[in-house]
Amino acid sequence: GDSVTQMEGPVTLSEEACLTINCTYTATGYPSLFWYVQYPGEGLQLLLKATKADDKGSNKGFEATYRKETTSFHLEKGSVQVSDSAVYFCALSSDGNYGQNFVFGPGTRLSVLP
Amino acid sequence: KAGVTQTPRYLIKTRGQQVTLSCSPISGHRSVSWYQQTPGQGLQFLFEYFSETQRNKGNFPGRFSGRQFSNSRSEMNVSTLELGDSALYLCASTYGLAPYQETQYFGPGTRLLVL
Repeated sequence: GDSVTQMEGPVTLSEEACLTINCTYTATGYPSLFWYVQYPGEGLQLLLKATKADDKGSNKGFEATYRKETTSFHLEKGSVQVSDSAVYFCALSSDGNYGQNFVFGPGTRLSVLP
Repeated sequence: KAGVTQTPRYLIKTRGQQVTLSCSPISGHRSVSWYQQTPGQGLQFLFEYFSETQRNKGNFPGRFSGRQFSNSRSEMNVSTLELGDSALYLCASTYGLAPYQETQYFGPGTRLLVL
C-alpha cells in the first residue's frame, strides 16, 4: 500500500539556521503531496501542498518540490524562527477505489532555540 | 468562516465503556474523515464519510464506527473501550468533490483517556 517515510527527529536548530526535513513516498499512480504542521495542543494545519510532479509548494518561508523521479517532497526553510517549533507531517493523498486515501508520515519534531 | 469543531475536547472513560465523539465540518464541506493519533502509531486513518455514506475505511476493528448526518456533521463511536484506545482523535473536512487533490482541514481534536 501507499506509505510515507520521513526523518523522525527530534531536530534541534538554532534560530536562523537552515532546515531540511526529508520525506519520501511510495504510491501507485500520481498522489498529491502535503506538509502539515502541528503546534502543541492543536490539530494539524496545512503548511503547503503540491498536486503534480515538479510543482513547488510554498508558505511562510517553507518550500517543498514534488520530485517524481526520486519520489520525494523534502521540506526546506532558509532561516528558521523559534515560532517554527512544532511537529511536521509529510502526507500523501491518492485516489482510492472511490474517495480519498490519506497517508501520513510519522512526523518530525522541530525545536528551534533562540 | 468557522473552522472544524470537535466536541468534547477532553474525555476520561474506563475500560469497557463506550464513547461518542462529534465533529462539525467547515460550512459547505461534505466529506469528514477521522484519524487516531498516538505517540506509538502516529496518525492513522479511521474512516471517511461523504454525503452520509462511508466512502473509505482504515484498518481498525469493528468497535470503531461512525456516521454522518444530512448536515454533514459526523459522529464517531468506540464501544468496549480498551486502554490502547487512549489517543487524540482528529476530524478533518473537505468539499469531497475532487478527492485526492483537496486539502484536509483539521479540528483541534478530542483527547480520550481510557483508565
